[in-house]
Amino acid sequence: GQNIDQPTEMTATEGAIVQINCTYQTSGFNGLFWYQQHAGEAPTFLSYNVLDGLEEKGRFSSFLSRSKGYSYLLLKELQMKDSASYLCAVNLKSYIPTFGRGTSLIVHP
Amino acid sequence: DAGVTQSPTHLIKTRGQQVTLRCSPKSGHDTVSWYQQALGQGPQFIFQYYEEEERQRGNFPDRFSGHQFPNYSSELNVNALLLGDSALYLCASSSTTKTYNEQFFGPGTRLTVL
Repeated sequence: GQNIDQPTEMTATEGAIVQINCTYQTSGFNGLFWYQQHAGEAPTFLSYNVLDGLEEKGRFSSFLSRSKGYSYLLLKELQMKDSASYLCAVNLKSYIPTFGRGTSLIVHP
Repeated sequence: DAGVTQSPTHLIKTRGQQVTLRCSPKSGHDTVSWYQQALGQGPQFIFQYYEEEERQRGNFPDRFSGHQFPNYSSELNVNALLLGDSALYLCASSSTTKTYNEQFFGPGTRLTVL
């Protein structure tokens, strides 16, 4: 089976940096997605990592280590609007993304 | 450019009834996937349609069926509804011409089964 683990909930302060980890054990791997989902809304695409290393995109960065089955999403200069659920999804060999349960991030003043 | 649209936004049904949800993909996309998202969970893959055929299917019973039309829009049908079918149903579209299958999600249909 596929196993994708993320912390259930994290809290952080406005202006700070937070790292959301994701570990995976899957049969097949073609890449890893991160999505942001505000309450009651659709997931929106943040990043896609295929190769090992860090990819930076504005305040958000995503890291992948395929040998360790590990990824993280780094959010800098946190804003209140960053309060949302962050979904890690592994793109299997079938190119069907398998999602973790999501990490609920609460940003407080 | 219209994104992915879904209808209806909310729906209330009773156990045993049948429901049809609709999805129009993002312009230029040819593949539609359906997901079920229970409260506090990540989206669970139901099935994917491409060229009007079911290409892949997740671990869902036959009560869940679908269809894709020539204009790439899609329907999800659920028969003999159970209380456990209450969830947010998400449609996502993608393009086979892209180098990777970034999924663009619609706003979802919130289904409540009483």
